[in-house]
Amino acid sequence: DAEITQSPRHKITETGRQVTLACHQTWNHNNMFWYRQDLGHGLRLIHYSYGVHDTNKGEVSDGYSVSRSNTEDLPLTLESAASSQTSVYFCASSESMRSPQYFGPGTRLTVT
Amino acid sequence: AQSVTQLGSHVSVSEGALVLLRCNYSSSVPPYLFWYVQYPNQGLQLLLKYTTGATLVKGINGFEAEFKKSETSFHLTKPSAHMSDAAEYFCAVSERNYGGATNKLIFGTGTLLAVQP
Repeated sequence: DAEITQSPRHKITETGRQVTLACHQTWNHNNMFWYRQDLGHGLRLIHYSYGVHDTNKGEVSDGYSVSRSNTEDLPLTLESAASSQTSVYFCASSESMRSPQYFGPGTRLTVT
Repeated sequence: AQSVTQLGSHVSVSEGALVLLRCNYSSSVPPYLFWYVQYPNQGLQLLLKYTTGATLVKGINGFEAEFKKSETSFHLTKPSAHMSDAAEYFCAVSERNYGGATNKLIFGTGTLLAVQP
């Protein structure tokens, strides 16, 4: 079955370190998204991509970057992790502009 | 800009009772609307969606929602709550502009549903 996976599921890192969270989908979806979920804020969009080599900033993009070298993967990089980036991160994908998004299981990141 | 408001961050119902979770949106163009459910330590699962057509949409697990343009609402209902419905529910609107859909979701802050035996 097609799916969307995220790794690692849990990560503890130190302030200032570079961290990369992986997202992989096997639906061949063009659209991919990264969100962070924090109590009281719901989900907020970090970055998104509409296809290979396309990336766009979302609502809370400062301190994060993405690259899209193939259809299946959209890794999220924290250039220099900060305690404010402690959160749960979700990746999602969708087939088209009118389609719903399908979410991965999430990565819980703690920055100490 | 589009926005979503979910009234009530916590809702508690008895098993067998009606579930009503409220969602109001703000959009200057016809919206695409979604409800997602999140069980503990899991990702979000699509419950139902409205894009065009029939304003009453049915989803999984017996949930349904009605798009009411005049009230800018998309409330989620289920006639009879089950213990397994306890979860957090998110309403979302897909950002659109006059150039068309962007597929970017704007989420409400969520409603945590508790079901009492």
